[in-house]
Amino acid sequence: SQQGEEDPQALSIQEGENATMNCSYKTSINNLQWYRQNSGRGLVHLILIRSNEREKHSGRLRVTLDTSKKSSSLLITASRAADTASYFCATDTTDSWGKLQFGAGTQVVVTP
Amino acid sequence: NAGVTQTPKFQVLKTGQSMTLQCAQDMNHNSMYWYRQDPGMGLRLIYYSASEGTTDKGEVPNGYNVSRLNKREFSLRLESAAPSQTSVYFCASSEGPLKLINSPLHFGNGTRLTVT
Repeated sequence: SQQGEEDPQALSIQEGENATMNCSYKTSINNLQWYRQNSGRGLVHLILIRSNEREKHSGRLRVTLDTSKKSSSLLITASRAADTASYFCATDTTDSWGKLQFGAGTQVVVTP
Repeated sequence: NAGVTQTPKFQVLKTGQSMTLQCAQDMNHNSMYWYRQDPGMGLRLIYYSASEGTTDKGEVPNGYNVSRLNKREFSLRLESAAPSQTSVYFCASSEGPLKLINSPLHFGNGTRLTVT
């Protein structure tokens, strides 16, 4: 079974709106990472949040981490058509270092 | 700066044929990875190499072999391809685990493999 699971599986919004997606995981983590994948391309790293951090920002991205609930969220503010992509969370667990585990992803479509 | 380069981009094989997927990185990274991506499954780790000379099995290693040829190159071999190996294969690299914490991965653009 997968360590990380994203919710929702798909999200459709209009330009200018905010997009929020969530990631839940099962075992203790060292860090949690978010990646973006454009159609037909490889994944691109967006942001890494360590287990002792609660919130992190990068441009229009905001990531939160709640280790007590074993969950993380990714917020994209003021979305653009170029944000259309799949977004994946990946967990670095304390019992399997060296092996990031990815969820199935959230597919985000931003319409002009 | 090329980053992570995978070849070929596309490949069609018949059941039982063999092939090697090539991967090279120019970022002087220590660790390299092979993942496969199937619809609705996310990415699953096939094999991992923490550093030159070492390899380790991931979640789905059966039917695959790997070679860490040197620090730059990490190849994935299918000895006898099966339809279940139809997938998109991604190679990735990272600086490697530092104090047991993983640094971000840098991905290639994938090899789309179809086995008929």
